[in-house]
Amino acid sequence: DVKVTQSSRYLVKRTGEKVFLECVQDMDHENMFWYRQDPGLGLRLIYFSYDVKMKEKGDIPEGYSVSREKKERFSLILESASTNQTSMYLCASSFSGTGPYEQYFGPGTRLTVT
Amino acid sequence: AQSVTQLGSHVSVSEGALVLLRCNYSSSVPPYLFWYVQYPNQGLQLLLKYTTGATLVKGINGFEAEFKKSETSFHLTKPSAHMSDAAEYFCAVRMYNQGGKLIFGQGTELSVKP
Repeated sequence: DVKVTQSSRYLVKRTGEKVFLECVQDMDHENMFWYRQDPGLGLRLIYFSYDVKMKEKGDIPEGYSVSREKKERFSLILESASTNQTSMYLCASSFSGTGPYEQYFGPGTRLTVT
Repeated sequence: AQSVTQLGSHVSVSEGALVLLRCNYSSSVPPYLFWYVQYPNQGLQLLLKYTTGATLVKGINGFEAEFKKSETSFHLTKPSAHMSDAAEYFCAVRMYNQGGKLIFGQGTELSVKP
């Protein structure tokens, strides 16, 4: 079974703190993704990575950065957390190429910024 | 830009009734198509996917979906709803030239009444 794990299920941080969300996959997938999910807005892509040290901005990258130093690990960084970043964060991974490869999702991290 | 439209953000059915969740995509080239389910406070789980070939696709938990190219639709059905089907459902497409990114619909929340 593919496993995508996220470092925390629930996280509470204060405004201005630097926040790290970690994601690890065990299927040797090239692609990894970070989404945020908000009621009524569906899933929005923040960043994705198609290889180690490679990244591409998604639809809403402002206020976030990412790091991928190893193939299995993809980190999302909130440099200075703000209350409007309170959300559910979902990590996913998939094979690359043009095939019908689905994304596998982690359980999510519910982040609250106070 | 490609888009995915799910008609109805909330659908309510009685237990034992037919479930029909609608999904339309905008593309002249048939993409790969997916349905995911999300239970409360969990990540997304793949229900089924369409790649090529047979247009009626069977998935887990008794769900199936039919790809209709002429209607650019991929509606999800289940003949008889169960209480455990209450969840949020997402339709997604993957284009051949998008590097593995999925385009998600806004989601449909399914409620099942006893």
